[in-house]
Amino acid sequence: GDSVTQMEGPVTLSEEAFLTINCTYTATGYPSLFWYVQYPGEGLQLLLKATKADDKGSNKGFEATYRKETTSFHLEKGSVQVSDSAVYFCALNDHQAGTALIFGKGTTLSVSS
Amino acid sequence: NAGVMQNPRHLVRRRGQEARLRCSPMKGHSHVYWYRQLPEEGLKFMVYLQKENIIDESGMPKERFSAEFPKEGPSILRIQQVVRGDSAAYFCASFRDRDEKLFFGSGTQLSVL
Repeated sequence: GDSVTQMEGPVTLSEEAFLTINCTYTATGYPSLFWYVQYPGEGLQLLLKATKADDKGSNKGFEATYRKETTSFHLEKGSVQVSDSAVYFCALNDHQAGTALIFGKGTTLSVSS
Repeated sequence: NAGVMQNPRHLVRRRGQEARLRCSPMKGHSHVYWYRQLPEEGLKFMVYLQKENIIDESGMPKERFSAEFPKEGPSILRIQQVVRGDSAAYFCASFRDRDEKLFFGSGTQLSVL
């Protein structure tokens, strides 16, 4: 079945460091891919999305490129801030399998000043 | 423009009691998803509902769990005879058709003593 695999955390970085959180997926069709962010005590918020191969989603300095050949959607940011500390979830929506988003386990990012 | 509202934020129950979790979707949204988040795990899909219809309940445990989304009022996730293993954060999300965007509530943290 469809699945999403994320790198395990926690990821601990200093402010202004470069961030990569790896995400790979398995899907039967041509999914849309998403990154969601969960700040402490809150629900998930959509960070960015990509709907087809080679699309790049971007928001708030974060980027991720839909790579069909490697079935990946890695999240990157050039310079993290303390306020980026949160849990990041990679997710897919395989339109052939239904409309429920399938999430990875989440990666906790902790940024210190 | 209120977001997805979930209540209560925290719910404490003793083993064997019933838990009722409520979710009011965003205005104009007629699709609701329920997800469960266990410690150290990602979000697991439970059930997808439209008004007065259960569309997909493939993620719901077969016993003790039920969900509804009546024509009027919030969606309800009901857990009968709770056990300690039901302790988790339960998130509701409502869906916007035009861009596949899920809007999440802040969740209900259920603790079973």
